[in-house]
Amino acid sequence: QSVLIQPPSASGTPGQKVTISCSGSGSNVGKNPVTWYQQHPGAAPRPLIFNFNQRPSGVPERFSGSKSDTSASLAISDLQSEDGAHYFCAAWDDRLSGYVFGGGTQVTVL
Amino acid sequence: DVHLEESGGTSKQPGGSLRLSCEASGFTFSSFSMNWVRQAPGKGLEWVAYINKNGETTYYADSLEGRFIISRDNAKNSLYLQINRLRANDTAVYYCTRDLLLPTGRLCDSWGQGTLVTVSS
Repeated sequence: QSVLIQPPSASGTPGQKVTISCSGSGSNVGKNPVTWYQQHPGAAPRPLIFNFNQRPSGVPERFSGSKSDTSASLAISDLQSEDGAHYFCAAWDDRLSGYVFGGGTQVTVL
Repeated sequence: DVHLEESGGTSKQPGGSLRLSCEASGFTFSSFSMNWVRQAPGKGLEWVAYINKNGETTYYADSLEGRFIISRDNAKNSLYLQINRLRANDTAVYYCTRDLLLPTGRLCDSWGQGTLVTVSS
C-alpha cells in the first residue's frame, strides 16, 4: 500500500484533458513540494513537474501541476498518443525522513 | 549532461548478499545527496535509501529492516548499495537518483537506467 494515493487508471481521447490526483498527508504533500514522474515501459521515470508547477526543459506546456492542502493534481491538456504512460507522484516525508511515492496511474489514450 | 549508470544487478538465491554500484558523471558528485529507489516487476516506485553529500547522514525505508547499507566514494564519483539477507521480495529494478535540493524542497531529478536484481531459489 503506497503512502500517496493515486487512481490506478485514467483515459481520454486525443485532444482531451486528463487530470490525475495524488492524496497524501501533512508530513508529505501538505508540507513539501510534489514531483510528478512519467514512465514509459522499460524506461526510467523522468520528472515532469516539480516545485509545485515547474517543468524541466523539454517538458511540454500541456503538463501542469497544482496543490491544495494535502492533495496534488497533474493535468495533461491536449492529450497526445505519446502521453500514454504511467504517472507517479512523489514527495519528501518529514516524519519518515524519506521519499514517498504514489502507486502510479496508467494513462491510456483511446 | 548528468549521467548515472548502475551496475551489479544479477540473480541471487534467498539469504545471499549483493552490492550495487552507480557511477556518476556530468556533474560535481560530491555536491549532491543521492538516493536508491526500486521498482518490483509491474509495480510502483519504492524509495530505499538516502545519503548526504559527505556520506555522514543516511536514511532508510522502514520496511528494509536493517538489511541495506548505502555508501559513497566521492573520489570515485560512485554510489553503492549493499543488500544482505536477500529475500524474494527484493526482486526489482534498482535506480540510482540524484537528490536536488531547492529552497522549497527536494526531488530526485536525475535517474539512471536501473539494474535488475532477481532473488529466487
